[in-house]
Amino acid sequence: GAVVSQHPSWVICKSGTSVKIECRSLDFQATTMFWYRQFPKQSLMLMATSNEGSKATYEQGVEKDKFLINHASLTLSTLTVTSAHPEDSSFYICSAVGTAPANTGELFFGEGSRLTVL
Amino acid sequence: KQEVTQIPAALSVPEGENLVLNCSFTDSAIYNLQWFRQDPGKGLTSLLLIQSSQREQTSGRLNASLDKSSGRSTLYIAASQPGDSATYLCAVFSGAGSYQLTFGKGTKLSVIP
Repeated sequence: GAVVSQHPSWVICKSGTSVKIECRSLDFQATTMFWYRQFPKQSLMLMATSNEGSKATYEQGVEKDKFLINHASLTLSTLTVTSAHPEDSSFYICSAVGTAPANTGELFFGEGSRLTVL
Repeated sequence: KQEVTQIPAALSVPEGENLVLNCSFTDSAIYNLQWFRQDPGKGLTSLLLIQSSQREQTSGRLNASLDKSSGRSTLYIAASQPGDSATYLCAVFSGAGSYQLTFGKGTKLSVIP
């Protein structure tokens, strides 16, 4: 299957700093990427939908100024957690849906990035 | 609003047993349904994708069925192995083009050697 790479897989930062997480589709072009957040023992919650070359669409309750998403190319989307606070500590996962030749709508997920804010 | 429920929340079985994980969804107007596996602290691995027009998909020891009209899907794992221990998530894709994906909370499977 297609490969989606996320980096870093683990990050610890001080409160008030910003952290950038990258999501790359390694062997396919992804016009659309998604960012999810997962709390312990909970299901994934969609934060935003990122389309290449346009502004991301945020889900209700997600602060767009706090979670900056950039999808500058067909293989890369970034999530920047600005002025991070301990309550932002979570597991962040990205996914991507491919394009041609056979777009079945199947999503491919990155390995996730665990953010801990001290 | 689509809701996805997975039962049971946790399951422990001895190695070699066949088992069934259940997923139900409230809105039958889906585009497709996907089963994932998640290991602790890891991302998701796609196991099987069933399009709304299909009734089942098979991959190795895994078989997933879909009954869209009743809002149910099952994941059948044959001859379970300790390496199958993980959390299994069911996710429903609602509406072509919208990419709205709704996840269940998962079933945590433990296969005892």
